[in-house]
Amino acid sequence: AQSVAQPEDQVNVAEGNPLTVKCTYSVSGNPYLFWYVQYPNRGLQFLLKYITGDNLVKGSYGFEAEFNKSQTSFHLKKPSALVSDSALYFCAVLGRGGYQKVTFGIGTKLQVIP
Amino acid sequence: KAGVTQTPRYLIKTRGQQVTLSCSPISGHRSVSWYQQTPGQGLQFLFEYFSETQRNKGNFPGRFSGRQFSNSRSEMNVSTLELGDSALYLCASSLTGDPNSPLHFGNGTRLTVT
Repeated sequence: AQSVAQPEDQVNVAEGNPLTVKCTYSVSGNPYLFWYVQYPNRGLQFLLKYITGDNLVKGSYGFEAEFNKSQTSFHLKKPSALVSDSALYFCAVLGRGGYQKVTFGIGTKLQVIP
Repeated sequence: KAGVTQTPRYLIKTRGQQVTLSCSPISGHRSVSWYQQTPGQGLQFLFEYFSETQRNKGNFPGRFSGRQFSNSRSEMNVSTLELGDSALYLCASSLTGDPNSPLHFGNGTRLTVT
């Protein structure tokens, strides 16, 4: 069975500071990993994905994520936070060989303080 | 290109009733997935359809069912509603259902069961 853990319910960061939203996963074999963002009263929007190759993945809106196989982690990062980044962030995993039965984490609320 | 459209946006039903939710995927997308989102559980996978066939199913009771039509539009039905079915139901489409094609989410249907 595959699973995702987002250990922080909420992350607070000052505008202009770097941000990190943590994610660890468990899956058989090599994973597909994703980050999605959800703004209030909206569906989720795709930010970035790791399929294979470079461990550092760049995505939308200046976000990036680092795949660490030994620590089974896929933390989301941004060098300089904006107030408009405040939203709910979801990490997701899919084991290879499966169709779209993606497992999502419970979400981390990011609050960027002006 | 129009995004994923879910109707209705809001629904209020009473226990014991049934409900049908509709999802129109992005034009050309053949895979449609459904998720239930609640504050305590996060996103839970319901099922995924591709070319009118259910390929994957989550761990939900048989009261939850779905179908996909030849134009890729999908419906989800919940019978004998329970209070615990109150949630945001999200539909997501992708080109092939393959992990290389990310999920595109609709804005959801907010179901309240009283």
